[in-house]
Amino acid sequence: AQKITQTQPGMFVQEKEAVTLDCTYDTSDPSYGLFWYKQPSSGEMIFLIYQGSYDQQNATEGRYSLNFQKARKSANLVISASQLGDSAMYFCAMREGGDSGYALNFGKGTSLLVTP
Amino acid sequence: DAGVIQSPRHEVTEMGQEVTLRCKPISGHDYLFWYRQTMMRGLELLIYFNNNVPIDDSGMPEDRFSAKMPNASFSTLKIQPSEPRDSAVYFCASSLGLAGSQETQYFGPGTRLLVL
Repeated sequence: AQKITQTQPGMFVQEKEAVTLDCTYDTSDPSYGLFWYKQPSSGEMIFLIYQGSYDQQNATEGRYSLNFQKARKSANLVISASQLGDSAMYFCAMREGGDSGYALNFGKGTSLLVTP
Repeated sequence: DAGVIQSPRHEVTEMGQEVTLRCKPISGHDYLFWYRQTMMRGLELLIYFNNNVPIDDSGMPEDRFSAKMPNASFSTLKIQPSEPRDSAVYFCASSLGLAGSQETQYFGPGTRLLVL
């Protein structure tokens, strides 16, 4: 079964606008971590933001914020004031603890294109 | 601080040849991960180490793949003999620990492998 679901294969947003990239996850483990990574066309994986399952507040890192809705098992990434350099693939990932090991399970990604 | 370093960045080889990929994790990080990224399967964990000891190698495709971590600052992933289906981007990642934000995995730039 898919652990991480990203339902938007591609998204467009105009420069300076905000955009939300969707991510839902599936786990029965009470302890888990959620991550977002950016992969530009150059190929590297760039860490953006982390949310722990026990964190009370939504994580924020500069223009990135994570809209964490635990009951709905969603962890959407919000990018405010989009810039042309934000055009890239975005991956949501989850780490389940304990017996599941510590591998990251990645979604299939969302391709974001920021237009002038 | 230097990030995760991988070499080579690109490798083109012929079927049947031995391929060795190298990784230097971020200094002080206790966990090292090897991932493979393909269009068909996305990002998948191959193996990870804790304090130089392999913990989970269940993702290693077959006996042709082997990984070592002789010390805290160096790891190798070897494919012998290589096959065209091994063509992929191989990422190395490291993390400080497994608690809270320490579990964030930082990725190297990747090695693009093409097996002809």
